[in-house]
Amino acid sequence: SQQGEEDPQALSIQEGENATMNCSYKTSINNLQWYRQNSGRGLVHLILIRSNEREKHSGRLRVTLDTSKKSSSLLITASRAADTASYFCATRNTDKLIFGTGTRLQVFP
Amino acid sequence: GAGVSQSPSNKVTEKGKDVELRCDPISGHTALYWYRQSLGQGLEFLIYFQGNSAPDKSGLPSDRFSAERTGGSVSTLTIQRTQQEDSAVYLCASSLAGQGSGEQYFGPGTRLTVT
Repeated sequence: SQQGEEDPQALSIQEGENATMNCSYKTSINNLQWYRQNSGRGLVHLILIRSNEREKHSGRLRVTLDTSKKSSSLLITASRAADTASYFCATRNTDKLIFGTGTRLQVFP
Repeated sequence: GAGVSQSPSNKVTEKGKDVELRCDPISGHTALYWYRQSLGQGLEFLIYFQGNSAPDKSGLPSDRFSAERTGGSVSTLTIQRTQQEDSAVYLCASSLAGQGSGEQYFGPGTRLTVT
């Protein structure tokens, strides 16, 4: 079963705009990770935030985590057409990652 | 270094046939995972191998699905008597260990089509 739910399910923006995706989860976690998937194939790890962290940055990515609300957000700043992909959050509790349903991001040039 | 590889990349099979999907994890990664992703959906956990421990099979959808991991490296996912609802992309991932951060490295997947 899915642990995480992302919203929106789909997001369309223009190049240069910021994109924000949200993830909610149900149980306690060790960490939360965001992955990117192009063309329905393998996923690529983007960023990890631990349960005792509130915010983390990596390049144009900013992730926040609110464990009291069991939610996280991924912000992509100054988006590019190449950012077009599906983005998944994944929560880690013990040994497994449980993936959310994903947000499909379309960035128009 | 080499990433996770999977074969075949695409497989078309007739309903009722058995299929085997292969995954070669990154060398030295002790944890290996199989996921299934139906069109436009999220990832569904299937099975997890960690070292020499008994695998976590809690995600396998039916007894038609099984997986092995030989020598702590290559893994094979077998689907017996395939059904049309088995059509999906099957993704394999590996990580350094079951504990720790758990960042997973994914293969390109096998797209299975059951006709």
